[in-house]
Amino acid sequence: DVKVTQSSRYLVKRTGEKVFLECVQDMDHENMFWYRQDPGLGLRLIYFSYDVKMKEKGDIPEGYSVSREKKERFSLILESASTNQTSMYLCASNDGKSPSYEQYFGPGTRLTVT
Amino acid sequence: KQEVTQIPAALSVPEGENLVLNCSFTDSAIYNLQWFRQDPGKGLTSLLLIQSSQREQTSGRLNASLDKSSGRSTLYIAASQPGDSATYLCAAPNYGGATNKLIFGTGTLLAVQP
Repeated sequence: DVKVTQSSRYLVKRTGEKVFLECVQDMDHENMFWYRQDPGLGLRLIYFSYDVKMKEKGDIPEGYSVSREKKERFSLILESASTNQTSMYLCASNDGKSPSYEQYFGPGTRLTVT
Repeated sequence: KQEVTQIPAALSVPEGENLVLNCSFTDSAIYNLQWFRQDPGKGLTSLLLIQSSQREQTSGRLNASLDKSSGRSTLYIAASQPGDSATYLCAAPNYGGATNKLIFGTGTLLAVQP
């Protein structure tokens, strides 16, 4: 079974702090994704990566950056956390060679910025 | 740009009923559509993925159909159980391509009453 893990289930940070959210997948997937989920807005794509050191902006990249130094690990970075970044963050991955491109999700990180 | 809509936003049924959840999408040039389940405060669990060449996909009591010409997909749940209570999300690709960036509906919150 595909396993996607995220470093924290719950995280509380102060405004202005630098925040790192880590995601690891164990299925050698090429593609990895970071989403945020907010009530009434659904899931929105922040960034995705289609290979090591390769990344593309999603729909809402402002205030975020990402890092993918190894194929299995994709990090989301909040350079200076703000209260409007309080949200549920979800990581996903899929196999870029597969004809189905089915996405697999991690358990999520609930981030609160105070 | 792809838009995905789910109706109804919430649904409450007595245990044992058969039910249908609806998903509409605007860009019919998709090559798959994915249904997910999300329990409160948790990540997304993939339920079914339907390829564009398929019309239906089944897993246990779940059956998903896809009609690209009308821009619709349905998730049928037979003999509902309290354990089926969750939010159900559908997602369609924003455009074709290896990364398969998904656009999500805002979900249907299902409550199955014992």
